[in-house]
Amino acid sequence: QVQLVQSGAEVKKPGASVTVSCKVSGYSLTELSMHWVRQAPGKGLEWMGGFDPEDGEAVYAESLQGRVTMTEDTSTDTAYMQLSSLRSEDTAVYFCTRGMPFDFWGQGTLITVSS
Amino acid sequence: DINLTQSPSSLSTSVGDRVTITCQASQDISTYLNWYQQKPGKAPRLLIYDASTLETGVPSRFSGSGSGTDFIFTIDSLQPEDIAIYYCQHYENVPYTFGQGTRLDI
Repeated sequence: QVQLVQSGAEVKKPGASVTVSCKVSGYSLTELSMHWVRQAPGKGLEWMGGFDPEDGEAVYAESLQGRVTMTEDTSTDTAYMQLSSLRSEDTAVYFCTRGMPFDFWGQGTLITVSS
Repeated sequence: DINLTQSPSSLSTSVGDRVTITCQASQDISTYLNWYQQKPGKAPRLLIYDASTLETGVPSRFSGSGSGTDFIFTIDSLQPEDIAIYYCQHYENVPYTFGQGTRLDI
């Protein structure tokens, strides 16, 4: 069955970078686009970016442009999301999800940014 | 960017109630709209896609309708396990924004 398994929680200092991984099984990364969604504590869902199924290129939310990089390793069926220059407002649970629509989700990874 | 406005933001309900949530898009998105359910500490769950298609395994008491800019999500006969936050999301173009969510309480 389809599963998306994310890496564990991390605590980072402001200005640092973080990489979250998402290992998929039950299907291949080449079959469907991977996207990333985050949720700050007590807040709603924010689409961060994902891969355009037309050309396979990553597209990002404008608010994160220049700080976020999404990549895929199709040999291991693992997707990665790197966020740099971390700020306190980046504290959130980060989800990987395949889509569209977003029918399967990772379990979420809590990233805490604190000095 | 396309804005999605959900209404109401919260709703006090009772078991057996019929629940209706609306989602209004800031521009025409045809039927490129999904609905998700999220329970505390869990990932969202896809319920409805393409505005009105029920995802496999989702109970038939959930339904969706609409096109263009106005959409409706309905739960017929609310069950205790339906207490959650519900989000609409469009995919007409990037960014694939979500509505702000509707919290159901008993």
